[in-house]
Amino acid sequence: ETGVTQSPTHLIKTRGQQVTLRCSSQSGHNTVSWYQQALGQGPQFIFQYYREEENGRGNFPPRFSGLQFPNYSSELNVNALELDDSALYLCASSSGQGQETQYFGPGTRLLVL
Amino acid sequence: AQSVAQPEDQVNVAEGNPLTVKCTYSVSGNPYLFWYVQYPNRGLQFLLKYITGDNLVKGSYGFEAEFNKSQTSFHLKKPSALVSDSALYFCAVSARGSSASKIIFGSGTRLSIRP
Repeated sequence: ETGVTQSPTHLIKTRGQQVTLRCSSQSGHNTVSWYQQALGQGPQFIFQYYREEENGRGNFPPRFSGLQFPNYSSELNVNALELDDSALYLCASSSGQGQETQYFGPGTRLLVL
Repeated sequence: AQSVAQPEDQVNVAEGNPLTVKCTYSVSGNPYLFWYVQYPNRGLQFLLKYITGDNLVKGSYGFEAEFNKSQTSFHLKKPSALVSDSALYFCAVSARGSSASKIIFGSGTRLSIRP
């Protein structure tokens, strides 16, 4: 186990709703990255937070937003949910940027109906 | 732009035989390269990474990978496969010098080890 935890484990929402996913980073890590993994695909980078500031963003619309707190835990918020948002959302923490290894949590599986 | 290709959707190997899972990458400049494994309904587990130095990298569970700059490849290998190695394997690349640790993942290769 990596020490990265995510909640909830599973979630069902309907189209148009909003969702908040949570991630607690591994002790000593100050960087959190979020990924979306659709069924049968590799994870896609959503964004990264370093010391409470967004530090890079992938090709996701603004309705995907996030926060990082002083204890380095993080939230991913998705507004106006669409059916295609159904996926496994993975959080990864690391002790810095660049070559630092990212350690992944178990993920939150989101189903949008 | 960064990209990673895993040309095989599935690799089948008999237990005890050597295994190779292929990965090629494209990135501006020198890369950081990673291998992760994913078991059903689980997150990704780190196996190994290449940062610099020796082209042969040793990782967890007896896995190793060889960095080949001329062929832009980073194939994952293991001398003797175990049934418990059956899982989904992802190769990933990060650009050296990038301000964010944006990792680009391949599409994954499902490894199946038959007894």
